[in-house]
Amino acid sequence: RKEVEQDPGPFNVPEGATVAFNCTYSNSASQSFFWYRQDCRKEPKLLMSVYSSGNEDGRFTAQLNRASQYISLLIRDSKLSDSATYLCVENQGTDKLIFGTGTRLQVFP
Amino acid sequence: DVKVTQSSRYLVKRTGEKVFLECVQDMDHENMFWYRQDPGLGLRLIYFSYDVKMKEKGDIPEGYSVSREKKERFSLILESASTNQTSMYLCASSIGTGWPNSPLHFGNGTRLTVT
Repeated sequence: RKEVEQDPGPFNVPEGATVAFNCTYSNSASQSFFWYRQDCRKEPKLLMSVYSSGNEDGRFTAQLNRASQYISLLIRDSKLSDSATYLCVENQGTDKLIFGTGTRLQVFP
Repeated sequence: DVKVTQSSRYLVKRTGEKVFLECVQDMDHENMFWYRQDPGLGLRLIYFSYDVKMKEKGDIPEGYSVSREKKERFSLILESASTNQTSMYLCASSIGTGWPNSPLHFGNGTRLTVT
């Protein structure tokens, strides 16, 4: 089983900024990916699913680059409430998900 | 909305005690999972189950066992708790193997401290 790698951060950005995180994966056969958001001392919550080239939901955009084997998460117009750790997850099949260790985002006023 | 409920938010146990962590989901999901999460190590899979009475070892099963007697309930058992099992334990469920791309839904976690 191969790893999912993320920059741990922290990324410190002002409100209103655009910020992007990347996540690399090793298994070229993986078909689906997820971004989860985890607040301090809370459980991870699903933010977005990525099945093909990408997905967009409001201020959040996820992109999948199969050639380079990475997925990215773009957050536009950052809010204070976006401060959290963002977990990248690879589905290698058979319902076993591989989690990255997370990227911490801190949005300041 | 999927609800995954873990019976305790915080537990403090002594070394050598047998510990039971309970998890219940209300969405008729086939798959259930137990993870532990430690700083710098991310989420690590302990055990998972695709169906009642079946279980599969994850990446770090040593020192743990599980029980799934009913579809909605998945229990994690620490046979003899040790201090290196102090961690955040997260239960999760997903729809089933017929939906290979379905995400996990997590319970709110149990923070276990073994002294």
